[in-house]
Amino acid sequence: SQTIHQWPATLVQPVGSPLSLECTVEGTSNPNLYWYRQAAGRGLQLLFYSVGIGQISSEVPQNLSASRPQDRQFILSSKKLLLSDSGFYLCAWSEQSYLNYGYTFGSGTRLTVV
Amino acid sequence: SQQGEEDPQALSIQEGENATMNCSYKTSINNLQWYRQNSGRGLVHLILIRSNEREKHSGRLRVTLDTSKKSSSLLITASRAADTASYFCAPTSYNTDKLIFGTGTRLQVFP
Repeated sequence: SQTIHQWPATLVQPVGSPLSLECTVEGTSNPNLYWYRQAAGRGLQLLFYSVGIGQISSEVPQNLSASRPQDRQFILSSKKLLLSDSGFYLCAWSEQSYLNYGYTFGSGTRLTVV
Repeated sequence: SQQGEEDPQALSIQEGENATMNCSYKTSINNLQWYRQNSGRGLVHLILIRSNEREKHSGRLRVTLDTSKKSSSLLITASRAADTASYFCAPTSYNTDKLIFGTGTRLQVFP
């Protein structure tokens, strides 16, 4: 069966520090991968998505970047965190034929920038 | 891609009652998906209804779709305290490969 791993679960980082969040998927190949961010009590904002290795689409210009170095690995990074980067970060994957299946989400990373 | 708009924003009911939440969208869809998010957790896929379907059931969940009105509803029957969560709809268009989520409906079920 397919599983998605996201870590760390919580993170407290000072302003100006770098960030690296990792997401890996097991049990499938060539998945679509997504990074979402959710501010407290708000909806989800799509940040990046990838349909293949090295293929990254950015939805919102910001202080973050994403990379997909391997088929089932998706990384969210920042060189210098801002206070506004605080939030709940969720990784998700879907089959390439997403139209017929739903997304599977990771358990999320709660990032607090102080 | 398009974003669904859930209504109401918040809903409070007693255990055993039914909960109905609605979703509206703007352009033609291929399917529409509903997700649940418990506090501090990731989203969980509940049900997918295709554009040529009008109603779908899964356990205590009933989803309807009215493409003429561009709307869908999610009914949770005999609600339980464990149903307390936020619920999101995600309409999926034919020419997109990403889901856009709205702000959801926050459901509170009191024991």
